[in-house]
Amino acid sequence: ETGVTQTPRHLVMGMTNKKSLKCEQHLGHNAMYWYKQSAKKPLELMFVYSLEERVENNSVPSRFSPECPNSSHLFLHLHTLQPEDSALYLCASSQGTSGTPSVFGPGTRLTVL
Amino acid sequence: GESVGLHLPTLSVQEGDNSIINCAYSNSASDYFIWYKQESGKGPQFIIDIRSNMDKRQGQRVTVLLNKTVKHLSLQIAATQPGDSAVYFCAENRPGGYNKLIFGAGTRLAVHP
Repeated sequence: ETGVTQTPRHLVMGMTNKKSLKCEQHLGHNAMYWYKQSAKKPLELMFVYSLEERVENNSVPSRFSPECPNSSHLFLHLHTLQPEDSALYLCASSQGTSGTPSVFGPGTRLTVL
Repeated sequence: GESVGLHLPTLSVQEGDNSIINCAYSNSASDYFIWYKQESGKGPQFIIDIRSNMDKRQGQRVTVLLNKTVKHLSLQIAATQPGDSAVYFCAENRPGGYNKLIFGAGTRLAVHP
């Protein structure tokens, strides 16, 4: 495996639900990322955490709320999503301050009904 | 606007042949370029990178060529194997900050026996 794990791998939720995506990295990296991959757009950066501090919020709607309790774990809390939020959500990590993800997780396939 | 795009959305090759995947980028200030491979059900995987002060870099069976004059990047895979079947993304890295890695749309490589 890649050293970055994500759960769940698949999630179906209604627009009024609240759910959370979890990411864990076992590589000792100090930066973690959330990316969105949809069928119609290239991979898009959502959030970056470096040393547990959010350093980038790429104009993401507030219905997506990230949390980084420590350097190994990253969450994405979801609330009142829209069908157009259906996508593959990828977590990644890296070491240093390059801002370039080096290892990606397998992703969570999210479907919003 | 700034973008990274791929000329060919799908490339079909015979096993054993060489493959060439192309990418155009638009930001002349980009200083670093990466190729990723994404297999079905997995996250992107780093293949090879190249800095803007180079025009060629070789890895194991892969070569990346950079032509800064025409802002063009290519990935060459020698003796293509069935395991090379995947979607390949190029990404350009703009200087400064964390929101600086711009991904292309991807090219699907299909290897036929």
